Amino acid sequence: KQEVTQIPAALSVPEGENLVLNCSFTDSAIYNLQWFRQDPGKGLTSLLLIQSSQREQTSGRLNASLDKSSGRSTLYIAASQPGDSATYLCAVNYGSSNTGKLIFGQGTTLQVKP
Amino acid sequence: DAGVTQSPTHLIKTRGQQVTLRCSPKSGHDTVSWYQQALGQGPQFIFQYYEEEERQRGNFPDRFSGHQFPNYSSELNVNALLLGDSALYLCASTSIRGGLGQPQHFGDGTRLSIL
Repeated sequence: KQEVTQIPAALSVPEGENLVLNCSFTDSAIYNLQWFRQDPGKGLTSLLLIQSSQREQTSGRLNASLDKSSGRSTLYIAASQPGDSATYLCAVNYGSSNTGKLIFGQGTTLQVKP
Repeated sequence: DAGVTQSPTHLIKTRGQQVTLRCSPKSGHDTVSWYQQALGQGPQFIFQYYEEEERQRGNFPDRFSGHQFPNYSSELNVNALLLGDSALYLCASTSIRGGLGQPQHFGDGTRLSIL
């Protein structure tokens, strides 16, 4: 069964701290992996997408890595800010194209304290 | 450039009723997927439409049905509503011709509450 797990479920850090969010998946035959941000009561905002052939992607203070052999991805947030407070979701595409269905983890809710 | 738009934003229904949710994909996108997100959970895939046909379906009963129109917009219909159908319903779009590196874009969702 293809499953995606995110640990921890919740995280609280002081402003300025660097932090890592974890995502693990059970089947290494993925097409791509996408990280999303979700603010309370809102939709999903795409942060980073990593193709199966890539090891990492970077956007500003965010860096996502992918290790298919171990079934893991991490989202690194540098110099965290209160505005980073949100739920972060990892989604794995097990299909054969970019239109494949996404299997989501349950998310990590991040609180950055001023 | 408008992103994915969904309507309505909120909806309240009673058990047994029927509901229709609407989605307009991001400009240039031709593939629409629907997801259900219960409170505190990750989204669950319902189904996907391309060229006005259902291409993939998740583990949802036949009470959940959909449609895609020639302009690529889509509807999600749910019949015989149950209390457990209360959730945030998300629409995602992408392009089958987008190739590598094209993410799926999500709308803000429709919050459906069943009384």
